[in-house]
Amino acid sequence: GAGVSQSPSNKVTEKGKDVELRCDPISGHTALYWYRQSLGQGLEFLIYFQGNSAPDKSGLPSDRFSAERTGGSVSTLTIQRTQQEDSAVYLCASSRGPNLDEQFFGPGTRLTVL
Amino acid sequence: LAKTTQPISMDSYEGQEVNITCSHNNIATNDYITWYQQFPSQGPRFIIQGYKTKVTNEVASLFIPADRKSSTLSLPRVSLSDTAVYYCLVGTDTGRRALTFGSGTRLQVQP
Repeated sequence: GAGVSQSPSNKVTEKGKDVELRCDPISGHTALYWYRQSLGQGLEFLIYFQGNSAPDKSGLPSDRFSAERTGGSVSTLTIQRTQQEDSAVYLCASSRGPNLDEQFFGPGTRLTVL
Repeated sequence: LAKTTQPISMDSYEGQEVNITCSHNNIATNDYITWYQQFPSQGPRFIIQGYKTKVTNEVASLFIPADRKSSTLSLPRVSLSDTAVYYCLVGTDTGRRALTFGSGTRLQVQP
């Protein structure tokens, strides 16, 4: 079956612009995660959606970052007024159930802020 | 959430067994231990998960001592294609907080 998909695969933007990154999880997966990864670094957790529960936003680095998950499926990560330090690969993952279930990752969106 | 500590990097040669240890001194009773592998330019992928003693699958083994304050991922007879970053995660499926990946262990396998 289809895996997790993300779009765009690459995004180049100018400092101060807003960007939207999209994630299509595996159908039927109730949990969805967003991470970012800077070059050569580990994964930095951003936000976690589980079913109809309030999302765990504890990883969002600032109020410029927000995410939505509509209808329990597609998710959009929005970064407002982008800064150069936002440049990274943004990875989305989904799992059948919460936390312990295997997370399946998408190919990521490489964001470059000039 | 239980904090994990792993070596930053390890080197090995093809055909050797590699053991990567993760420390998690404040692991909770309901916590499981999960390992992921990440190749360059790809997202991580699940390797193995366990609660206690030993778990083995077609890829690796996971050894967890009785006190569960550490765990060891064992990769038998590594090849060049096992060069990757390996992450240890500790947590439970209850509660709202997500598991965190940390910095991982960068394994370099040489010919």
